[in-house]
Amino acid sequence: NAGVTQTPKFRVLKTGQSMTLLCAQDMNHEYMYWYRQDPGMGLRLIHYSVGEGTTAKGEVPDGYNVSRLKKQNFLLGLESAAPSQTSVYFCASSSLAHPPHTGELFFGEGSRLTVL
Amino acid sequence: EDKVVQSPLSLVVHEGDTVTLNCSYEVTNFRSLLWYKQEKKAPTFLFMLTSSGIEKKSGRLSSILDKKELFSILNITATQTGDSAVYLCAVEDDYKLSFGAGTTVTVRA
Repeated sequence: NAGVTQTPKFRVLKTGQSMTLLCAQDMNHEYMYWYRQDPGMGLRLIHYSVGEGTTAKGEVPDGYNVSRLKKQNFLLGLESAAPSQTSVYFCASSSLAHPPHTGELFFGEGSRLTVL
Repeated sequence: EDKVVQSPLSLVVHEGDTVTLNCSYEVTNFRSLLWYKQEKKAPTFLFMLTSSGIEKKSGRLSSILDKKELFSILNITATQTGDSAVYLCAVEDDYKLSFGAGTTVTVRA
């Protein structure tokens, strides 16, 4: 029962470096999301995808890119990391179990990123 | 822009107390409201509410939605130290969820 798996769990970057966070889900879910969580600010949506090959911007998309080449994977990229991107990143997925509602989100364990 | 506001931001109670958490929202195309509990790591799902006035219950937790006044409350009765967590409210709008900042609940023995 893997559910939603994020890699890596921890990463330290220097300003200007690039990296990719990988999210994989084995529940055959259509929808996938990337959130960031900062102290006192709850979860903020970065990008999301409603199906393979489609992506859309969320609340805070600047500085990030995403790709959904395969249904089970959703990649979050930082092309040139900045200290403001220091955060905990959560990936989530959902199915249309309760159409037309998104229903419950299933979260990964989170990835803690520090940009120096 | 969607807006989800939770209150209070934090509270401290003693075991056995009852806690009431509030969530108000403004969204363009409301579909549902969800409550999550977050301890150390990932949020875990508690409730999904879609209709006004229908209470959802799970053990000592219950929640209700008012779509006219645009708010929801989450009640926890007979609190235990294991209820200590951040409680997140989220509102669904066009297949994405917008989260509030959360309410941190600390239950002291």
